[in-house]
Amino acid sequence: QSALTQPRSVSGSPGQSVTISCTGTSSDVGGYNYVSWYQQHPGKAPKLMIYDVSKRPSGVPDRFSGSKSGNTASLTISGLQAEDEADYYCCSYAGSYIYVVFGGGTKLTVL
Amino acid sequence: EVQLVESGGGLVQPGRSLRLSCAASGFTFDDYAMHWVRQAPGKGLEWVSGISWNSGSIGYADSVKGRFTISRDNAKNSLYLQMNSLRAEDTALYYCAKGEDYFDYWGQGTLVTVSS
Repeated sequence: QSALTQPRSVSGSPGQSVTISCTGTSSDVGGYNYVSWYQQHPGKAPKLMIYDVSKRPSGVPDRFSGSKSGNTASLTISGLQAEDEADYYCCSYAGSYIYVVFGGGTKLTVL
Repeated sequence: EVQLVESGGGLVQPGRSLRLSCAASGFTFDDYAMHWVRQAPGKGLEWVSGISWNSGSIGYADSVKGRFTISRDNAKNSLYLQMNSLRAEDTALYYCAKGEDYFDYWGQGTLVTVSS
């Protein structure tokens, strides 16, 4: 049960695009198409942004997109806005019907 | 409207026990798996434990295995986490979250502080 690997921080200017990577193993990210991404603003509960690698829940802007290649998943945020500044966490199903694992989190700074 | 409301947190001495509860409403509780996720102060999210809709599948993080027990009462739309032999490193905000492989709803969390 090792945490997924994310960069500690990323940054971008308003209007630009940023991509956050999430690297796991064949036992989690690489083994299933069940990667999700969460946005967390300070003092708030996490919010689901992407599920099943690339699906967006209702209400999440289409500026947010997800993808996966091998053992690495990615979250791309295009057209950066000030309100996107937050912590982002990836999460993957890890087998046995119930196990999941989170990434260490990435702090996104909008310059 | 889906609501998840955690309770039961507080200040507890190392080695003691605490039981967290999560009251669910606004959805068919026994259709979904439920999980506990914690966040230590200033740290990231850590999955703690999960339980399937019928309690047939249960899992724990290695860090809590043997000390924590997850359970649910579908008749009461409630999720529980019995925490024994608490350690300082268990200090965190504990969230309950709804979902199978992803968590579409989260509570606001209940704070557990383990300190003498």
